[in-house]
Amino acid sequence: GQQLNQSPQSMFIQEGEDVSMNCTSSSIFNTWLWYKQDPGEGPVLLIALYKAGELTSNGRLTAQFGITRKDSFLNISASIPSDVGIYFCAGTLGGSNYKLTFGKGTLLTVNP
Amino acid sequence: NAGVTQTPKFQVLKTGQSMTLQCAQDMNHNSMYWYRQDPGMGLRLIYYSASEGTTDKGEVPNGYNVSRLNKREFSLRLESAAPSQTSVYFCASRGNYGYTFGSGTRLTVV
Repeated sequence: GQQLNQSPQSMFIQEGEDVSMNCTSSSIFNTWLWYKQDPGEGPVLLIALYKAGELTSNGRLTAQFGITRKDSFLNISASIPSDVGIYFCAGTLGGSNYKLTFGKGTLLTVNP
Repeated sequence: NAGVTQTPKFQVLKTGQSMTLQCAQDMNHNSMYWYRQDPGMGLRLIYYSASEGTTDKGEVPNGYNVSRLNKREFSLRLESAAPSQTSVYFCASRGNYGYTFGSGTRLTVV
């Protein structure tokens, strides 16, 4: 099946620093999604990307849908302590089933 | 608040016991999904239901069954629990803006 390689696995940064994480796939996707998961909660959608080359921002978050449709990155600028959590990329080919394939996650720790 | 509700939040089972994880959504979504999350593995799809009356296997369906009771409810059943099924289980439904996840059921099989 499709696989997503997400990196890095974990990051430990100082408050105020910028963060970058990315996902690559062995096959193409039509939609890329980025989720954040807080401890004890389900993932929450941060950004959705629907077109190759698309660059989308949501506050301090910016994500891009790679031109090859096989990769995506997420940047967080000026990190704050509440950015702590696990970030997941996910891709789908869409269609009626719309199954999501998830990366293994990036654990972000922000030191105040 | 609108969303996806999962019950129970925590459960401990003995090997061989059975149980059903419940999931309900009130957003009138057609598609619902069950995932399991294990450390370092991300979320893996167990079963999904593209619409009321249909269910299909995902990536890791062995040892599980599902029922799409109506448009709102999608349950996951473990007929004979095994320690390998110790995990956090998430239910999700899909709307126009992607998946909405429940807060999870943490299951331990001893």
